Amino acid sequence: EPEVTQTPSHQVTQMGQEVILRCVPISNHLYFYWYRQILGQKVEFLVSFYNNEISEKSEIFDDQFSVERPDGSNFTLKIRSTKLEDSAMYFCASSQLLGQGEKLFFGSGTQLSVL
Amino acid sequence: GNSVTQMEGPVTLSEEAFLTINCTYTATGYPSLFWYVQYPGEGLQLLLKATKADDKGSNKGFEATYRKETTSFHLEKGSVQVSDSAVYFCALSNSGGGADGLTFGKGTHLIIQP
Repeated sequence: EPEVTQTPSHQVTQMGQEVILRCVPISNHLYFYWYRQILGQKVEFLVSFYNNEISEKSEIFDDQFSVERPDGSNFTLKIRSTKLEDSAMYFCASSQLLGQGEKLFFGSGTQLSVL
Repeated sequence: GNSVTQMEGPVTLSEEAFLTINCTYTATGYPSLFWYVQYPGEGLQLLLKATKADDKGSNKGFEATYRKETTSFHLEKGSVQVSDSAVYFCALSNSGGGADGLTFGKGTHLIIQP
């Protein structure tokens, strides 16, 4: 089965530094997402992306966050100035279509640790 | 707003035991309901889904029935195996054509002992 690929699997950074989390969605998918899970808490929606622009974003996705599809294959999440509370597992996902019952394919996640 | 509540883990069972992981939800309208599973070192994978009331989703011996009257979608399996050890996430989608994806529960860590 095709996979969503995320790199790196673990990222350690100092508070205030910029980080870029990378994802390669499934090639024929059109909708892309970022989710995060802080340790012990729920998986939370951050942002969705379609046709080279943000479709929806949550309250978590403030001005410190941005997403980009710099080429035909990568989908990135940038955090401009990391805070301790940004430490979490970040999941990328993609789907072919948009719909209430549509299946999302998830990557294995990037564990971000902000020190 | 939407929310999903699932039983806290870890849940530890012996092989061949019966499994139930409870999940209840709050949502407007008529959401679709999902169970995702995350095996160690892997991404979230769709295990099963149900898109309307009284639907039963099933896969790999797991089942869950969409119960609108109790707003529940409990996951069950009659006889678990060591290979079922993973984290299980209940989720709902109520985007109605929007792009806000899924609302997840916290996840339940299932440990099956031989």
